Amino acid sequence: EAQVTQNPRYLITVTGKKLTVTCSQNMNHEYMSWYRQDPGLGLRQIYYSMNVEVTDKGDVPEGYKVSRKEKRNFPLILESPSPNQTSLYFCASSKNGGYNEQFFGPGTRLTVL
Amino acid sequence: AQSVTQLGSHVSVSEGALVLLRCNYSSSVPPYLFWYVQYPNQGLQLLLKYTTGATLVKGINGFEAEFKKSETSFHLTKPSAHMSDAAEYFCAVSGGNAGNMLTFGGGTRLMVKP
Repeated sequence: EAQVTQNPRYLITVTGKKLTVTCSQNMNHEYMSWYRQDPGLGLRQIYYSMNVEVTDKGDVPEGYKVSRKEKRNFPLILESPSPNQTSLYFCASSKNGGYNEQFFGPGTRLTVL
Repeated sequence: AQSVTQLGSHVSVSEGALVLLRCNYSSSVPPYLFWYVQYPNQGLQLLLKYTTGATLVKGINGFEAEFKKSETSFHLTKPSAHMSDAAEYFCAVSGGNAGNMLTFGGGTRLMVKP
């Protein structure tokens, strides 16, 4: 089944404790992206990647890191999480670029205390 | 930078009534436009998209949207609402000045009354 998977689905952590949210897709897509969803603000793009070893900042990259060492994986790293990063995070992928339909993962709900 | 405005964070309609969800965008060049739907506790899925060509775009579940360049709008409509349409709807834009970035509006929660 074609899908985007994220882990964990739920995470509660404390300020400053490094964490990684994994994202994997099995559709051989070149483009992958991370978004955060906050009430009233819709989804805001954090980082995106056009291909392996190519990443670019989105609208809200501060406090986040990403890497794209393999085509299928695009982990999101929070090196020192803060409470304002409490949010619902979505990973997405598309065949090639933001112009195409993006397929979304199920989301990761992160709470930073 | 591109931006997307969705008028009305909550819209309530009766079952069988017309659904109209409004979306306006700002872009100095023709963009690519999308509507996504999010059902409770799920990720987003594509309803429809406009890239080039015909300005009236038909999507899944009976939804359609019309690209109006002069009004910088891409409103979503459905002639007759069904209870299963209750969800949150997001308008999004890419291309133009922002290239491969995708910018979303704030979302509109659609409620359908029996």
